[in-house]
Amino acid sequence: EDQVTQSPEALRLQEGESSSLNCSYTVSGLRGLFWYRQDPGKGPEFLFTLYSAGEEKEKERLKATLTKKESFLHITAPKPEDSATYLCAVQGAGGSNYKLTFGKGTLLTVNP
Amino acid sequence: NAGVTQTPKFQVLKTGQSMTLQCAQDMNHNSMYWYRQDPGMGLRLIYYSASEGTTDKGEVPNGYNVSRLNKREFSLRLESAAPSQTSVYFCASRATDRGGHQPQHFGDGTRLSIL
Repeated sequence: EDQVTQSPEALRLQEGESSSLNCSYTVSGLRGLFWYRQDPGKGPEFLFTLYSAGEEKEKERLKATLTKKESFLHITAPKPEDSATYLCAVQGAGGSNYKLTFGKGTLLTVNP
Repeated sequence: NAGVTQTPKFQVLKTGQSMTLQCAQDMNHNSMYWYRQDPGMGLRLIYYSASEGTTDKGEVPNGYNVSRLNKREFSLRLESAAPSQTSVYFCASRATDRGGHQPQHFGDGTRLSIL
């Protein structure tokens, strides 16, 4: 059974204070690891897909990296508008091709 | 771009009532999904439809039924609502690819309260 654990559960940063969110996973053959952002009252918004260990992707102040056991979402010089819940999900090769397993998320708050 | 549209956005029901949550996508995606999101539980898959004409159970299907009406629309029905079904319900869709690399795209949810 695929499993995803995100840490920390909550993170409070000052504007400009860089940090990282962690996503540890157990999966039988990784097809893809997905990062989403979720704002209050909204659905998850897709950010990145990572396929293989060593891969990195960037978007504005966010950079996602992947190893064989975990992924990090690095946030550089965050702004208050980066405040959201960040979700990690994996799709494994075992079982159905269509299902994602989600972590419980990290609630990020960036104070001005 | 509309993407994934869910209706209604909010609903309050009494225990035992029935209702159908509607979902439509305009991205020509083959696969569609229904999730529920509860505090401290994360997103849990209720049912999914890999393609038009097929549906399968997810992690928490009890108390729910689904219909893939056509390629665009995937509805979720609660036949006899229970307080334990109070949750936020999300619909998602995804383009099919052999590698399974395509992301799921989500609607903004239906907030359902069962009294």
